[in-house]
Amino acid sequence: DAKTTQPPSMDCAEGRAANLPCNHSTISGNEYVYWYRQIHSQGPQYIIHGLKNNETNEMASLIITEDRKSSTLILPHATLRDTAVYYCIGANMEYGNKLVFGAGTILRVKS
Amino acid sequence: DAGITQSPRHKVTETGTPVTLRCHQTENHRYMYWYRQDPGHGLRLIHYSYGVKDTDKGEVSDGYSVSRSKTEDFLLTLESATSSQTSVYFCASTPGLHTGELFFGEGSRLTVL
Repeated sequence: DAKTTQPPSMDCAEGRAANLPCNHSTISGNEYVYWYRQIHSQGPQYIIHGLKNNETNEMASLIITEDRKSSTLILPHATLRDTAVYYCIGANMEYGNKLVFGAGTILRVKS
Repeated sequence: DAGITQSPRHKVTETGTPVTLRCHQTENHRYMYWYRQDPGHGLRLIHYSYGVKDTDKGEVSDGYSVSRSKTEDFLLTLESATSSQTSVYFCASTPGLHTGELFFGEGSRLTVL
């Protein structure tokens, strides 16, 4: 699995976009970037994943740089319920990689 | 959400006793996983399963065993619990590795005294 680096914490104002960065300079060509989040003590929740192209779903957008060494998860209109730990993971499950959850970024959305 | 439940949700036991945690999913997912979560360590993979009777070790498998006799059930057993196994345990499942999406249970909090 690729090593990823995330800031330990970030704050965001409610209603504003939350942009969570992730560095994964060692990611290999066939490894995806996965994003999960964990709200309080619940089980982690899948958000989105991508390989090369930017991706968007009902929860978030994922922007991956052209060299694939970093990515940004964007929550377009953060709400208080988005306060959570966000995990960025570089892996390819089809190749036998398991998802390794690091420390993640604690996102605090404030009113 | 995928129907994945864990039992028991909370358990307190004594050192040296056997403990079994159950993960049950109703989605017919082929792949299942057991993680533990401790402060300062994130989630660490204990064991996983690729199908019925097909299991393998994760990064922190010592002291744990698993069994999967049916698609829907993945059991995690601590043969002789130790205080270092006090943790929150999460089970997860996915229908296929191409999806990238693991569905997690609510967690089981185990305290070993």
